[in-house]
Amino acid sequence: NAGVTQTPKFRILKIGQSMTLQCAQDMNHNYMYWYRQDPGMGLKLIYYSVGAGITDKGEVPNGYNVSRSTTEDFPLRLELAAPSQTSVYFCASRPWTENYYGYTFGSGTRLTVV
Amino acid sequence: DAKTTQPPSMDCAEGRAANLPCNHSTISGNEYVYWYRQIHSQGPQYIIHGLKNNETNEMASLIITEDRKSSTLILPHATLRDTAVYYCIVRKGTGNQFYFGTGTSLTVIP
Repeated sequence: NAGVTQTPKFRILKIGQSMTLQCAQDMNHNYMYWYRQDPGMGLKLIYYSVGAGITDKGEVPNGYNVSRSTTEDFPLRLELAAPSQTSVYFCASRPWTENYYGYTFGSGTRLTVV
Repeated sequence: DAKTTQPPSMDCAEGRAANLPCNHSTISGNEYVYWYRQIHSQGPQYIIHGLKNNETNEMASLIITEDRKSSTLILPHATLRDTAVYYCIVRKGTGNQFYFGTGTSLTVIP
């Protein structure tokens, strides 16, 4: 049981390049989330999904896209990378029950756009 | 979801209890109080949550005031490994999202 796995751990992109951050969970969780964390700041929600085929925007979705074709995977796509997207990206998941024991977070992807 | 207010930083001596306060004066009846922590740059880690009653687990205790407008996370015997940023979050039972603020940076001092 690996939990939430994020790849890559580190990446440097040039302005205008694109990339996909991968997130996979093996806990059969319905809900999955993408957050970004800028230095010294709290986490901000980018996108989330309540199940395969269903996604919705969070607080800061501009510049990102997501898809959820399977329960296990929730990739985050960056199109036309900008320096403002330099951040640490965290993926998280949780089961569907109302009184749940919190999210399980991945270890993060540290992205630098130069 | 209700907003929360936490002190930006706190120190605690190793071996002593760390008491981290959180104000959530606009909390509504169906909102839970959650605590997470983030050690260095790792992903946040769930600690504990509660609705009305005080809660305890192997990591910490959560004390919620009777009017539910504030709560305190208690780490009974703080160790150096408890140095982290602690986030207090309130969330509706049916809510899909946590909104993280900037939390309290706890430093455990030898």
